[in-house]
Amino acid sequence: SQQGEEDPQALSIQEGENATMNCSYKTSINNLQWYRQNSGRGLVHLILIRSNEREKHSGRLRVTLDTSKKSSSLLITASRAADTASYFCATFNSGGYQKVTFGTGTKLQVIP
Amino acid sequence: GAGVSQSPSNKVTEKGKDVELRCDPISGHTALYWYRQSLGQGLEFLIYFQGNSAPDKSGLPSDRFSAERTGGSVSTLTIQRTQQEDSAVYLCASSIMVGQETQYFGPGTRLLVL
Repeated sequence: SQQGEEDPQALSIQEGENATMNCSYKTSINNLQWYRQNSGRGLVHLILIRSNEREKHSGRLRVTLDTSKKSSSLLITASRAADTASYFCATFNSGGYQKVTFGTGTKLQVIP
Repeated sequence: GAGVSQSPSNKVTEKGKDVELRCDPISGHTALYWYRQSLGQGLEFLIYFQGNSAPDKSGLPSDRFSAERTGGSVSTLTIQRTQQEDSAVYLCASSIMVGQETQYFGPGTRLLVL
């Protein structure tokens, strides 16, 4: 598996339900970020969690980070049709060059 | 400008031609990143700049790809002798500094090589 791999690859839920996406990575990181992409164009930053943080909230978003398991999860509560998009995690390594790696993404569909 | 801009937004070219893609980062952002995204795929890191220098060029797919940044601002990604497999969306992002900060993405350039 590659650095920054999300699962599931695709998720379909009803409006109002919660959506959980997971991201696994391999190397030591400085921080991990979640991004959202609509229609295959530019990504929008959602939330950043640093390596010394375990949980972070922003509105309906909740991100957790477990550095011992090298994994993160993104929870979207009370989903809306407008949340339909692809979600990517990105990791920034902690050594040498500042390499950033994006995962393969989770395609979320929220059905009205 | 208010955000990252890229031009052109769409480019159709013939196999074997050279193309130049441009990225205008947010003013004051020292870090600039180029990514490639093939249809339905994740983002493939190509190169990043800290100021005008590119410490990590390991992501460039081949020697047909090159990038430069001048004046710590605008960057161009050049693809020489384009191939059909170069067809993708090329995304540029900038951040205040490398590594620790949020990346702000441009809308991308959709390249189609016929």
